[in-house]
This record gives sequence, C-alpha cells and structure tokens, in this order.
Amino acid sequence: QVQLQESGPGLVKPSQTLSVTCTVSGGAIISGDYYWSWIRQSAGKRLEWIGRISTDGRANYNPSLKSRVSISVDTSKNQFSLSLNSVTAADTAVYYCATYKVGLTAFDNWGQGTLVTVSS
Amino acid sequence: DIQMTQSPSSLSASVGDRVTITCRASQKINTYLNWYQQKTGKAPKVVIHGASSLQGGVPSRFSGNGSATEFTLSISSLQPEDLATYYCQQNFGIPYTFGQGTKLEIK
Repeated sequence: QVQLQESGPGLVKPSQTLSVTCTVSGGAIISGDYYWSWIRQSAGKRLEWIGRISTDGRANYNPSLKSRVSISVDTSKNQFSLSLNSVTAADTAVYYCATYKVGLTAFDNWGQGTLVTVSS
Repeated sequence: DIQMTQSPSSLSASVGDRVTITCRASQKINTYLNWYQQKTGKAPKVVIHGASSLQGGVPSRFSGNGSATEFTLSISSLQPEDLATYYCQQNFGIPYTFGQGTKLEIK
C-alpha cells in the first residue's frame, strides 16, 4: 500500500512561489502503476484537480492554472513536487497529493494534506 | 470543463435510513464517475469507482449506479460512521472535476 506525505511552507507571501513536496513510501514512484497527482481544497469549497505527472515525466495540468503550475518527479528521492507561481489569497488551500491508479481510474491513495496560506 | 452538480447539498437522516445522493454531469461521461467520502479534517477516500464498483474494504451498504449524465450513490442502512461529505468526480476528460459535495448529517 503506497503512503503519501506532503511537506510545505505553511505560509507564502502574495506574488511568490508556492512549493509542496510529496514523499512516497511503500512503493517505488518509478513503478508505472500510477499517475502522481495534486489536488487542492479551499475552505468550504469543492476539490480542485491541479494536475498530474507520470513517471516518464509527462504532465497534464488544469487549464485554469496551467500558466502558473509545474509538477516534477524526483525518482532518486521517491518524491514528486508541485510549484505554483504568482500566488494570491485565492490559492490558500489544503494541498493534497494523491495517486491515480491506472487500472482503477480513481484517486486511491491520498496524503493527509498540507495547509498553505497566502498572506503578507 | 465538465461540470458536476450534486444534489442535495446537505442531507439529514436517521441511523438505519436509506439515503441517496445524485450527481449530474454537464455532458455524457459513460461510467467514468467516482464517489469519495471525506470526514472532517481528513483526506477523501474513494468508495465507488467506475460508477458502480465498490472499492475494496468499503462496506457493502454503499452502492453506486448510473451512466452518461446521471449517477447516484446510495447507502442502504445509514450508520453513525457514515457522517461525512460525499463528492462525485469525473475522469472522462481532463481537467478532472468534482461535484460541490453533499454533507450528510445523522439525526
């Protein structure tokens, strides 16, 4: 069973770059069974899919964020990361990493989430 | 983007009741529809995938149905531990999108 753990800055100033990392345990990120995904949830709002990356580095992003977002994989550390630039208060949210299992076509493993607040 | 709309937004029911939540997609999505349960302060957990397949470890009182644009999640006999917000999610097309959630309360 794959386990995921997010780590993030907690607080980011407006216009700066938000960076969150997800550490994978219980399986190799290079296995190819999953797309490695980021999802966020603002207070009282619905879940929003940010994007995903495969182990060969192919990424897909939500068009609403595409100009500001980047997802990368570090197979040597068994981690994948999210970078979101030019942040505003609207980017304040709990950021979750999740696995999207290829055969299941659902988000079957989730991290506990990390709250990132954008404020000066 | 494919818009997902759930109804009702909140629901109050008694232990033992049968409850049903509806999710509608803005276009046909075949059966590319998942349901998630999110308890307060926790990450979501998939309960139904592919519109009607029960995820491993999920109690059999949960069931899903539907195809194309209309889907339902039912709980046959509500239990206290089912208190949660439920979300539908389509994976027919990118960007994947979620419904706004249905908050289930126990009377």
